[in-house]
Parts: sequence; structure tokens; C-alpha cells
Amino acid sequence: GIQVEQSPPDLILQEGANSTLRCNFSDSVNNLQWFHQNPWGQLINLFYIPSGTKQNGRLSATTVATERYSLLYISSSQTTDSGVYFCAVEGMNTGFQKLVFGTGTRLLVSP
Amino acid sequence: DTGVSQNPRHKITKRGQNVTFRCDPISEHNRLYWYRQTLGQGPEFLTYFQNEAQLEKSRLLSDRFSAERPKGSFSTLEIQRTEQGDSAMYLCASSPLLNTEAFFGQGTRLTVV
Repeated sequence: GIQVEQSPPDLILQEGANSTLRCNFSDSVNNLQWFHQNPWGQLINLFYIPSGTKQNGRLSATTVATERYSLLYISSSQTTDSGVYFCAVEGMNTGFQKLVFGTGTRLLVSP
Repeated sequence: DTGVSQNPRHKITKRGQNVTFRCDPISEHNRLYWYRQTLGQGPEFLTYFQNEAQLEKSRLLSDRFSAERPKGSFSTLEIQRTEQGDSAMYLCASSPLLNTEAFFGQGTRLTVV
């Protein structure tokens, strides 16, 4: 099945710093989503981005489907950005709709 | 509609007991998914419904697990004869028919003692 790798696995930032999180995937995709998992475990939708670039406030994402990667940019980070960021993809050749998740990037933003 | 709702939020049970979790999807969403997440890992797919039809089950879903979605609305996930290895966060998600952007509930955290 499709493989999803995220990097870096852990990231520590000072408040106000910028960061880039990467997601590589091994096959063509119908769907790619970025999520933020809060300390209570809920997955918050950040972007639905199978291709192209989107921006939402301090966050933006770019997916280059032909090269099988996606990037999540966080600018001017805040302590509330701390948590785990997951990339999840739906493979085009899976045959049915399911998301395959990476192992996540654990972000800690310190004041 | 406030999103996907899961109940209970937490469940502690003794080994060998049966447990049932409920998921209420976003009302206009035809597709419903169950995932399981263990500590330090990303969520793993368990099963998928389109309306009331269960179209796919993961090999992770042993014979002790069963899921239903009567009338294509809410869904239940039952685990029989729970084992300590079943301790995990159980997540439900739903998506519309026309695109597959999934929205997740708050999850049910199961602890088997």
C-alpha cells in the first residue's frame, strides 16, 4: 500500500519562528490532508490539498503531486501551535476511500 | 451541525468485557470511517461505510470487532471480550460523497485494565 513519511519527527521552536514540515508519499493520490492534533486528541483540519497551494492565516501548504510531496509552512509560530501535525493521503490505486497517515511531526513552541 | 460527535469520550473497562462506542457523523455526509490510534502513532484505518453499507474492513479488525451503521446515520463500533491491546483512541470521521475531505470527531479513549 501507499507509504507516507513525515519529517522532521520532532521540532522545537521559539515563539515567533517560522517552520516547514514535509510529507513524502509513495504513490499518486486523490486526496491529501494536513491535520493538527490537539492535546485532547482531536484532529483539526488544516488543509485539504491534493495539489496546488493554499493559505489560511499564518499557515500555508503546497502539494506537488507529480513529485509526491507536500509542505506545511507555519509562520510566526505561537505556543498554541504546539501539538502533532499529521499528513494523510488517499492513494489513487487503493480502490476505496481511506486515509493513510504518516507518523506525524511533534511541534513544541516555547515562549 | 457542530461536526462529528463521538460518545463516550473516555471508557475504562475490565479485560473480557464488551464495549460499544457511538459516532454521529455530519448530517449530510454519506461516508463514515473508523480509525484507531495508539500512543505515538498516526491513526490506522479500521472500517468504512457508504450510507449503510460496510464496504471495507481492515485486517486490524479481528472477529471481536464489529461495526454497524443502521439506516446510514449514526454508527456503532463494538469490541467483544476486550484485551489490554485494545487500549487506544478510537476515532470516527465522515466525508461527503462528492469529495473525500474527512472530518474527525473528538475520539473515544479506551483503557482496558
